[in-house]
Amino acid sequence: DGGITQSPKYLFRKEGQNVTLSCEQNLNHDAMYWYRQDPGQGLRLIYYSQIVNDFQKGDIAEGYSVSREKKESFPLTVTSAQKNPTAFYLCASIPPPGEYTEAFFGQGTRLTVV
Amino acid sequence: DAKTTQPPSMDCAEGRAANLPCNHSTISGNEYVYWYRQIHSQGPQYIIHGLKNNETNEMASLIITEDRKSSTLILPHATLRDTAVYYCIVYYGNNRLAFGKGNQVVVIP
Repeated sequence: DGGITQSPKYLFRKEGQNVTLSCEQNLNHDAMYWYRQDPGQGLRLIYYSQIVNDFQKGDIAEGYSVSREKKESFPLTVTSAQKNPTAFYLCASIPPPGEYTEAFFGQGTRLTVV
Repeated sequence: DAKTTQPPSMDCAEGRAANLPCNHSTISGNEYVYWYRQIHSQGPQYIIHGLKNNETNEMASLIITEDRKSSTLILPHATLRDTAVYYCIVYYGNNRLAFGKGNQVVVIP
């Protein structure tokens, strides 16, 4: 079955350590997105990529980095520069432009920094 | 930033129709209006979308004003399982996709 897989579901890290969140899709989608969600808040866009080897900053890119070396993969690295990394992270992908461009989401990764 | 404005929260009675408003006054000509909902700690679920005509599916109806500056999502018979955060967003294709804070809808028995 096609879909988006985020791993791991729960992640614990010590303060000051970099950590990479995985997002893989087998939907053949060009566009992929990373969001951060804090309790009681909506989804805030971190980074997005419309094509392999290209990506753009979203609204809260500081302290995060991404890569898009393969169409299927869009990993997010939370660096030590991110002051409050504890949050719920969601990855999404969208089909090529057309009438039915519904966004598909992974199940999320809950990152806790201790 | 999101291009839409929604009330932060609303209640509705179980079994009654729930009308969720959304303003998108800066919508571009080729952008669609999409609605998603998110139940706690899950990925958002697609509900419905439209360009300028009203749309209906098994989950909901979408009413878009003629000037396309606002829309209303209608849940015809709200159930307790419809309690969720509802997001109204506008986008085209694989462009920047910003969600905003959404509308926390609580269905009351």
